[in-house]
Amino acid sequence: DTAVSQTPKYLVTQMGNDKSIKCEQNLGHDTMYWYKQDSKKFLKIMFSYNNKELIINETVPNRFSPKSPDKAHLNLHINSLELGDSAVYFCASSLSSAGRETQYFGPGTRLLVL
Amino acid sequence: GENVEQHPSTLSVQEGDSAVIKCTYSDSASNYFPWYKQELGKRPQLIIDIRSNVGEKKDQRIAVTLNKTAKHFSLHITETQPEDSAVYFCAASMWGQNFVFGPGTRLSVLP
Repeated sequence: DTAVSQTPKYLVTQMGNDKSIKCEQNLGHDTMYWYKQDSKKFLKIMFSYNNKELIINETVPNRFSPKSPDKAHLNLHINSLELGDSAVYFCASSLSSAGRETQYFGPGTRLLVL
Repeated sequence: GENVEQHPSTLSVQEGDSAVIKCTYSDSASNYFPWYKQELGKRPQLIIDIRSNVGEKKDQRIAVTLNKTAKHFSLHITETQPEDSAVYFCAASMWGQNFVFGPGTRLSVLP
């Protein structure tokens, strides 16, 4: 009965590799997000999808590509991983993209690039 | 765009004392202000929020106050307990826009 789930929980990989993180929500929400939390704990929005359509794409390198096969899933694919990509990546969802609603976060994926 | 500042960055209090965390925002059009708590190794979770049509909201030991004129809002935790130790994030948003989070405050409640 987990509301927002992510896999994997931990990801250790070499520079230059390509990896994917998966996110699923069972709350029936229309909007999903990807956040990056760096070592200083800053929470920065990367992408926002509403009903499978991209609505926010902050200044993120195009090595990062989100994919939403349906409104319950938002995956993140990262090409040519770099050391600076090491961080915790959180998926989140909210009822809509109105911007005034609770966001429910997943447990996070801890990515370490060696 | 919106910019949210948060102070202090770290805060230590004795168990039972009160803790106050302050945030300022730059865009006067922002009208929704949530607070999230993130325990060590866990996900951020909403603890309280306030909309711009009210000045204060309370939920048991936590309260949030909003001063729209000065563009700042504060989180107040009374009778702090060790389980209140966490990183607290404020955020600001407006209709149709995503949250802009503050940089976080690490609160330590000392027994």
